[in-house]
Amino acid sequence: NAGVMQNPRHLVRRRGQEARLRCSPMKGHSHVYWYRQLPEEGLKFMVYLQKENIIDESGMPKERFSAEFPKEGPSILRIQQVVRGDSAAYFCASSSLSEAFFGQGTRLTVV
Amino acid sequence: AQRVTQPEKLLSVFKGAPVELKCNYSYSGSPELFWYVQYSRQRLQLLLRHISRESIKGFTADLNKGETSFHLKKPFAQEEDSAMYYCALSRSSGGYNKLIFGAGTRLAVHP
Repeated sequence: NAGVMQNPRHLVRRRGQEARLRCSPMKGHSHVYWYRQLPEEGLKFMVYLQKENIIDESGMPKERFSAEFPKEGPSILRIQQVVRGDSAAYFCASSSLSEAFFGQGTRLTVV
Repeated sequence: AQRVTQPEKLLSVFKGAPVELKCNYSYSGSPELFWYVQYSRQRLQLLLRHISRESIKGFTADLNKGETSFHLKKPFAQEEDSAMYYCALSRSSGGYNKLIFGAGTRLAVHP
């Protein structure tokens, strides 16, 4: 089991471009969480998804951010029209309801 | 509001010295508390959780509901303990473990 896989590890985008971050959960896990870590801060919950359903998006910014977890393929966190303030590390975790396992994160830099 | 506070950004000790990483929380119900660790260039991983009451790599943490604390302790620090440590709280609503993280404490153990 390769664990939770995130790609890319590093992503550089110019202001106004779109960023797509991918997360493949651990085998057998159907729950995916996205967290964002701004510099000098802890991880902040963004969204919780099960296959084809968004269960809790209380931590997602209202505009420009969206997430999906299709029946086939990885979960995608999409950020449209990125701004400098979106620069952060984005972590994905998957869970079997007893423990959350984290990916290595995607570091997004907006220039 | 639910919150996890780690008052120290950096804790620097010598090898063999005792270590205590502080964590305080505010929560209106019965929380589940965790310590996660991130070694250099590795993913975030669960170190221990209060309900298991076990010692991992010599670390222990006791939940003190009166003081709303979950401090992480180790009697004799080792150089390989150097890492980022995050205290986290589970709101465990709807049957899933959405986590609230503290800002983290960097432990540096010097030879």
